[in-house]
Parts: sequence; structure tokens; C-alpha cells
Amino acid sequence: DADVTQTPRNRITKTGKRIMLECSQTKGHDRMYWYRQDPGLGLRLIYYSFDVKDINKGEISDGYSVSRQAQAKFSLSLESAIPNQTALYFCATSGGLAGGKYQETQYFGPGTRLLVL
Amino acid sequence: SQQGEEDPQALSIQEGENATMNCSYKTSINNLQWYRQNSGRGLVHLILIRSNEREKHSGRLRVTLDTSKKSSSLLITASRAADTASYFCATAYSGAGSYQLTFGKGTKLSVIP
Repeated sequence: DADVTQTPRNRITKTGKRIMLECSQTKGHDRMYWYRQDPGLGLRLIYYSFDVKDINKGEISDGYSVSRQAQAKFSLSLESAIPNQTALYFCATSGGLAGGKYQETQYFGPGTRLLVL
Repeated sequence: SQQGEEDPQALSIQEGENATMNCSYKTSINNLQWYRQNSGRGLVHLILIRSNEREKHSGRLRVTLDTSKKSSSLLITASRAADTASYFCATAYSGAGSYQLTFGKGTKLSVIP
């Protein structure tokens, strides 16, 4: 979905380095999410944010941190990268009301492929 | 832990045939969603079915939900080569100040022209 962008798209880094993955959205959604996907596995939730002042840990938050700089921006940091953090990382958003119900459909960015050597 | 489990893990069919994928889960949910992923790309939402619904249709897609069996199925009718992708179910639960959308490992569908 072009309304959700991620930078960089690919990144190679070394063990111990700090890196940041960025996500921006133009959908006006209040909720944003970070997932990682490993080969042959589904997505696992790292962190999620329901608004700028709300940050929550997901299933696998250890080794990661996030920052919600604005409603449209949500960044993921690996403080000290390790090889088992090599994965495909996705940002997603959701939001809005339709028929009085909150829309839970998530819209995904194109992903960042991260390799930690 | 991942709640949704898709079955089969891989499915290969001829173009024009129907494809059925199943998803089982373990705990209470608010809704269940199906997503599609083309190789290495972001996921695209297909359909959402709420816990009080039993069946939904969208174009060539038909989703059923049986909360008593904690299972869902996705049927793609008259498949096309362009339907080749991985399909994931995701179960959503929110309550007591928490929220979870948990994805399964996916079914890899190959549609042979």
C-alpha cells in the first residue's frame, strides 16, 4: 500500500550496531504496528501504538524499541543488532470508523529486509 | 505464541479449480481476518469476519467462521494464476486494555495455468 512507506527497504548491518527503521503513513490512521516475518513463519507483533502517547509491547519486544514521533510516524530501533534479528520487518496501520465500528483492517508497508552479519 | 494455524501449509491446483484453506485458533476472538502476501511483499487485507458472523463473501472469496470449533475457512473460487500467493489468517482480540492480532504461518497457494 503506497500510503504506508518504509525506509530503508533493504539494510545490511553488523552485530552490535544500532539501527532504525522508519515508517510513515498518509492514511490518517491512529494505530500503527511493527511486525517481523521470518522464513516460513507468519508475522509476529513487536510493538503497537494506538496513538502518539500510547506504546505497547507485542509478542516479541525484547531487543527492540519504538518511537511514535507523530501520528504519521512510527520508528523501530534495534539498539544492538544481533544475527537472529535478521528478518523482514513490516509496518502497518489501522484506523477510522465505518458504520459506527472501528475499522480493524491493517494496511501494510512494503517491508524492510534486514540482514545482521 | 501464534494462535492461528493454517492448513494445508501448501496447496497446488490448476487454474479454474477452487482453493480451500483452513485456519484453526485457540482462544476467544473479536474477529478473524484473512490476508494475502505475494512473495516478499507486504500483506494485503482480503476480508474480515466478526465473531458474531458465520459467513462473508467478497467477489470470488468466501469466508466461514465456526466459533464453536474455533475454525475458519477461506474459499477462492475459479482460481487464477494471479491468485498464487501466501494466505494468512489473523485472529484479533481486544480487551482489558490490551490488543492482539496474531497471524498464522500461512498457506502457500500455487495456481498452475
